[in-house]
Amino acid sequence: GENVEQHPSTLSVQEGDSAVIKCTYSDSASNYFPWYKQELGKGPQLIIDIRSNVGEKKDQRIAVTLNKTAKHFSLHITETQPEDSAVYFCAAASTDSNYQLIWGAGTKLIIKP
Amino acid sequence: GAGVSQSPRYKVAKRGQDVALRCDPISGHVSLFWYQQALGQGPEFLTYFQNEAQLDKSGLPSDRFFAERPEGSVSTLKIQRTQQEDSAVYLCASSPISGIGELFFGEGSRLTVL
Repeated sequence: GENVEQHPSTLSVQEGDSAVIKCTYSDSASNYFPWYKQELGKGPQLIIDIRSNVGEKKDQRIAVTLNKTAKHFSLHITETQPEDSAVYFCAAASTDSNYQLIWGAGTKLIIKP
Repeated sequence: GAGVSQSPRYKVAKRGQDVALRCDPISGHVSLFWYQQALGQGPEFLTYFQNEAQLDKSGLPSDRFFAERPEGSVSTLKIQRTQQEDSAVYLCASSPISGIGELFFGEGSRLTVL
């Protein structure tokens, strides 16, 4: 089955700098890759997703890149702000097989003022 | 409310007790998922409903876990004879479409088994 690895587990960056979180997946059939942000005591919230027919997607300060050959995808946050502090999860799924999202273990992002 | 609502938010149970966790999805959402999230980990899939039909229950850890969504709206996750390893946050998510897409999560029910 699918396995998703995420790193780093903790990332501390200065406010205003960029943050990059990376994930690898194992199942070449996976074709949907969302990123969720989870604040303390809350449920995860989708911030951006990408499907395997594109290599990059941007939404304001957030971008995701996908390398299908290498089976890895990354989240890029530019001009980080204090409100970006949270735990970020990547996930992978195949829209052709089942309904299960396989999640990474999460990255705790700390924005230092 | 406009979002997914879960209750109770916190539940403490003695080992061996039965618990029931409730999820009110966003009105009209077809899909409903239950996930289990251990401390410091990502959510793990438990089960999936499309309307009232439970299409996938392969993630339920044992036959002590049971989920239902009898009228295609509210769902209940029941855990019988709770064990300490059942301690986790149980997240419910709904989606307006069938299959894979954006999931709207509730705030979760934190279960602690003593």
